Amino acid sequence: GAVVSQHPSWVICKSGTSVKIECRSLDFQATTMFWYRQFPKQSLMLMATSNEGSKATYEQGVEKDKFLINHASLTLSTLTVTSAHPEDSSFYICSATPGTSSDNEQFFGPGTRLTVL
Amino acid sequence: EDKVVQSPLSLVVHEGDTVTLNCSYEVTNFRSLLWYKQEKKAPTFLFMLTSSGIEKKSGRLSSILDKKELFSILNITATQTGDSAVYLCAVNTGTASKLTFGTGTRLQVTL
Repeated sequence: GAVVSQHPSWVICKSGTSVKIECRSLDFQATTMFWYRQFPKQSLMLMATSNEGSKATYEQGVEKDKFLINHASLTLSTLTVTSAHPEDSSFYICSATPGTSSDNEQFFGPGTRLTVL
Repeated sequence: EDKVVQSPLSLVVHEGDTVTLNCSYEVTNFRSLLWYKQEKKAPTFLFMLTSSGIEKKSGRLSSILDKKELFSILNITATQTGDSAVYLCAVNTGTASKLTFGTGTRLQVTL
């Protein structure tokens, strides 16, 4: 149980285009999903917290107009990188947590590797 | 600003050795500390620690938390090549399960 999937696994796109990444909880309802970014040989940096039916909460320094997050259902959150540039190339990982307790475990997706040419 | 620091950054050991990975933290609101193993993809959960002094064990891996000194250690005994990975420490600061991750320790186990 507690499986989180991401789609696509990897994507290469041209500079200036937009890319949508999906995060799905397959066997549980995720009231909260998190989006992280990981640069090579660095740790996971939280970008935003996504709650079903409400606006995402972005971390300091993350542009909300550039990284659009939609959490339209209890099993799906999407991250859209708008007008992507080479510096947006990174490994994007989502995680999902059931329930509303702050002690709930986060289950991680397999990640999406984005390369912007 | 919440901070999680891991040491060492990188480590190479021979198969069979025992290693200890360190994680120290400074956060305004502590709820739990978690250890993850990351190979090529997303992190996989190892342990969650909430109380000081209680060792959690899973096979050759064990971990303990010291809430007074604000650190945790992850021990791996009789290391195997399959233990090669990045080990991440994260602290749950209680704001809707938000995790602050450390820099990670890259472990390489050689034959």
